Amino acid sequence: DAEITQSPRHKITETGRQVTLACHQTWNHNNMFWYRQDLGHGLRLIHYSYGVQDTNKGEVSDGYSVSRSNTEDLPLTLESAASSQTSVYFCASSGQEGDWEQFFGPGTRLTVL
Amino acid sequence: AQKVTQAQTEISVVEKEDVTLDCVYETRDTTYYLFWYKQPPSGELVFLIRRNSFDEQNEISGRYSWNFQKSTSSFNFTITASQVVDSAVYFCALSEPYRYSGGGADGLTFGKGTHLIIQP
Repeated sequence: DAEITQSPRHKITETGRQVTLACHQTWNHNNMFWYRQDLGHGLRLIHYSYGVQDTNKGEVSDGYSVSRSNTEDLPLTLESAASSQTSVYFCASSGQEGDWEQFFGPGTRLTVL
Repeated sequence: AQKVTQAQTEISVVEKEDVTLDCVYETRDTTYYLFWYKQPPSGELVFLIRRNSFDEQNEISGRYSWNFQKSTSSFNFTITASQVVDSAVYFCALSEPYRYSGGGADGLTFGKGTHLIIQP
């Protein structure tokens, strides 16, 4: 069955370190998204991609970057982790026009000490 | 800019009661999509429904029903005869269609969620 996976599921890191969160989907979806979830804010869009080599900034993109070298993967990189980036991160994917449902991964809980 | 408001931060009801979760949205576009997601205590996000702006028909799925009213920019969600398993955080979300050729939806704008507690 097609799915979307995230790794690691839990990560503890230190301030200033570079961290990469992986997202892999087997739906063959062109559209992929990264969100962060914080208490009192719901989910907020970080970055998104409509296909290979395409990336776009979302609402809260500062301090994050993504790259899309193939259809299946959209890794999220925190260039220099900050305590304010402690959060739960969700990856999602969706298909083409007429199929807007976004399928979400299980989430990655990141703690920056 | 688009915005989704879920004014009810937390709702607590006794099992078997009906409960309605409110969602009010703002968008400048005439074409958009509305969603509801459920996040149980285990943390995953479960898709419940998608509705496009041209379809104002109400939807019923078992104990769940949705009332979409463009006139009031609302997309409310009702659970009939609630059960303890319905306890979760529920998110309403809005998406505007990607404007480039080839399709693709913009990222979702989420409300802050409503924490629903069903007491036995």
